[in-house]
Amino acid sequence: DIQMTQSPSSLSASVGDRVTITCRASQGISRWLAWYQQKPGKAPKLLIYTASILQTWVPSRFSGSGSGTDFTLTIDGLQPEDFATYFCQQANSFPYTFGQGTKLEVK
Amino acid sequence: EVLLLESGGHLVQPGGSLRLSCAASGLTFGNYAMHWVRQAPGKGLEWVSGISGGGDVTYYADSVKGRFTISRDNSDNTVYLQLNSLRAEDTALYRCVAAYRTPGALDYWGQGSPVNVTS
Repeated sequence: DIQMTQSPSSLSASVGDRVTITCRASQGISRWLAWYQQKPGKAPKLLIYTASILQTWVPSRFSGSGSGTDFTLTIDGLQPEDFATYFCQQANSFPYTFGQGTKLEVK
Repeated sequence: EVLLLESGGHLVQPGGSLRLSCAASGLTFGNYAMHWVRQAPGKGLEWVSGISGGGDVTYYADSVKGRFTISRDNSDNTVYLQLNSLRAEDTALYRCVAAYRTPGALDYWGQGSPVNVTS
């Protein structure tokens, strides 16, 4: 199975900050990487797929990059609604696997 | 609007069984692979099982292989997960998820149905 290592596990930041979350795959997954946003008590929502393509509802302050084994999610100019937990997921092969999650909290 | 509505989760004893259902609307159901992803309380996400749009190909996590069975009824826009030989570690919120591409990202998620395995 492909292991996904996500860091940091938690992150404190302020509105307006730029933050970066990283995700590393235990083997190459090309660009088959997705990012999800989850708010408390809610289902995850697909944020980014194929490493860098934003879903239509996602503001342009979000961006994704990477290929192979190393990927990043960047939020440039945090807004109050962005404080949530973010998960990466490899979509290259079964079994699909997720990173452990990054909880983005208000500093 | 895509809606995925899960049902069937409840409290069950170790070794017991139950069947989860997920009714889908707002999408061309047969064009989507369907998956089940679970989340234990306060924990991360674990992909459990998936089934192709036509229902002819299934996938399972090692942790549930041989105990869980996924199936779908495209005439009724419903996907099922049969859970047998349940263990305490199967306790989680089980979410139904639709994916347009396989392999690929998980596009739409349901709110989930809770399964609690306890004696």
